Amino acid sequence: GAGVSQSPRYKVAKRGQDVALRCDPISGHVSLFWYQQALGQGPEFLTYFQNEAQLDKSGLPSDRFFAERPEGSVSTLKIQRTQQEDSAVYLCASSPGGGKGYEQYFGPGTRLTVT
Amino acid sequence: QKEVEQDPGPLSVPEGAIVSLNCTYSNSAFQYFMWYRQYSRKGPELLMYTYSSGNKEDGRFTAQVDKSSKYISLFIRDSQPSDSATYLCAMIDYGGATNKLIFGTGTLLAVQP
Repeated sequence: GAGVSQSPRYKVAKRGQDVALRCDPISGHVSLFWYQQALGQGPEFLTYFQNEAQLDKSGLPSDRFFAERPEGSVSTLKIQRTQQEDSAVYLCASSPGGGKGYEQYFGPGTRLTVT
Repeated sequence: QKEVEQDPGPLSVPEGAIVSLNCTYSNSAFQYFMWYRQYSRKGPELLMYTYSSGNKEDGRFTAQVDKSSKYISLFIRDSQPSDSATYLCAMIDYGGATNKLIFGTGTLLAVQP
């Protein structure tokens, strides 16, 4: 079946603009994660959803970052008043949860460049 | 100090060589150990996972976990140019509230034909 999809694949924003990044997880996957990957680094955890509930947002770097998953499927990561340090690849991953919670399947990412 | 340390490389080997990739970690609560492969401008792809200590083999790939030393390895036999990618180790504290992955920085591997 289809994997995790993300849109847009590339986004250029002027500093101060708001952006919204979309994630479509694998159908039926309960868990959804957002990660941020800076150039030359491994992904770093941002936030976690189980169905529609946001259970962990400890990795969000500031209150300019907001994520939602209102119907327990598609998720949106929103960044308000973008700053240059927000430039990174934003990765979404979904997982079946339960006994297979350790398996996370990643989308291709959205590359955000803030100018 | 990061929870997971990984040599960023780059590592360049000739085709057919055996490749050894390694990570060390500090959190003894980690129970699941994953290796992801990431091609340029793509998302990470799960290669293998291991639970607790031990070895796991899948084709040309072997993953090893030594919890006593807090050290994990991935071996690639008969390496191919198509193996050229960044290899990321990742770990989970499965008893935690969130199954978030803690990644190393990734090792960039180039297999020369």
